[in-house]
Amino acid sequence: GAVVSQHPSRVICKSGTSVKIECRSLDFQATTMFWYRQFPKQSLMLMATSNEGSKATYEQGVEKDKFLINHASLTLSTLTVTSAHPEDSSFYICSARVAYPQETQYFGPGTRLLVL
Amino acid sequence: AQSVTQLDSHVSVSEGTPVLLRCNYSSSYSPSLFWYVQHPNKGLQLLLKYTSAATLVKGINGFEAEFKKSETSFHLTKPSAHMSDAAEYFCVVSEGSSASKIIFGSGTRLSIRP
Repeated sequence: GAVVSQHPSRVICKSGTSVKIECRSLDFQATTMFWYRQFPKQSLMLMATSNEGSKATYEQGVEKDKFLINHASLTLSTLTVTSAHPEDSSFYICSARVAYPQETQYFGPGTRLLVL
Repeated sequence: AQSVTQLDSHVSVSEGTPVLLRCNYSSSYSPSLFWYVQHPNKGLQLLLKYTSAATLVKGINGFEAEFKKSETSFHLTKPSAHMSDAAEYFCVVSEGSSASKIIFGSGTRLSIRP
């Protein structure tokens, strides 16, 4: 089946620094990728939809200047958490959507971010 | 608008007994429905999906789910629980258009007693 990778798998950073998380579709191309955030013992919340070659679409309440998304190619989307604060500590998960033969989303393994 | 409700936040069963994880959905269109499993500190794994074909869907690891339109339900079942089934389970709904997004349920934590 299709594989989506994320890098890094976990990262610890100081407050005020920026962190970039990569999401790659390894054996397929994805025009659309999604970024989710998951707090401990909670469900996944969609943050934004990343479209190759165009601006990302952010969900209500998600600051686009804080969570920068770049979908530079059909196999790579990046999420940059700018000026990270402890409250940004979370589990970030990406997914890549394929349309054929059936519309399916494939999820990455997630990136655990801890901001000190 | 679409939504999904997982009725139980936590289910505990004994090893070897049946598992039932409940899910109800709301959708304006014909939905696609999914069950995902997440083991601790791991990503999501697709268990099974319903996309308007057979209403009884068989997935991996012995799980299956039945789409019941009249009850707007998509409950997940397994005849005999295994210790390795202990995890968080998410029911997910998508309306399946080219601009679709998926909505996650709040999750059900499944515990297995020896």
